[in-house]
Amino acid sequence: QTVVTQEPSLSVSPGGTVTLTCGLSFGSVSTSYDPSWYQQPPGQPPRTLIHSTNIRSSGVPDRFSGSILGNKAALTITGAQADDESHYYCVLFLGYAGVVFGGGTTLTVL
Amino acid sequence: QVQLQESGPGLVKPSGTLSLTCAVSGGSISSSNWWSWVRQPPGKGLEWIGEVYHSGDTNYNPSLKGRVTMSVDKSKNHFSLNLTSVTAADTAVYYCATRRGAFHYWGQGTLITVSS
Repeated sequence: QTVVTQEPSLSVSPGGTVTLTCGLSFGSVSTSYDPSWYQQPPGQPPRTLIHSTNIRSSGVPDRFSGSILGNKAALTITGAQADDESHYYCVLFLGYAGVVFGGGTTLTVL
Repeated sequence: QVQLQESGPGLVKPSGTLSLTCAVSGGSISSSNWWSWVRQPPGKGLEWIGEVYHSGDTNYNPSLKGRVTMSVDKSKNHFSLNLTSVTAADTAVYYCATRRGAFHYWGQGTLITVSS
């Protein structure tokens, strides 16, 4: 079974920098998996933050950035704000397995 | 901007069929998007169910294959999901979304409860 891995929880201080990662249980994440990132506040639908590894969706602040770090996709928040406290999901397109969501990261800003 | 709105029964009996429709406005269902369904059980993460193209081509989550069918109705500019043989494990908020590479537009979601 294909598993997309994320940190279950992370915390960051206001104004600080945090990196969330998205890995694969069987190998390395590359741009060919077309990684994307989504923010989901409690009780709301997801909001698309990053697509195609590092392209910010319309209206997304530039404190959010996407990249490949080592063998994982990464979402970095630089200058975290209180309203960044949320759930974050990555998605990889795995072809044979279709679209796979990571388990999600709960980010706390404190 | 594309807007999506899910509609469905809210409550489905165990062993029954869950049927949902997603109305598309602000864009054509014949555009170059995959029309997708994603669900989220209470307190859990997101799960991709599958997707349909305007041509009728489909891709489904292998874990749900055999129970899922999706279709497009171009005349009504909407797409649909049928999930058969439901159990309590299928209780979730169901979202429709557009996907071209990544997901770009999302509906607000509708809670479907499987219970007798």
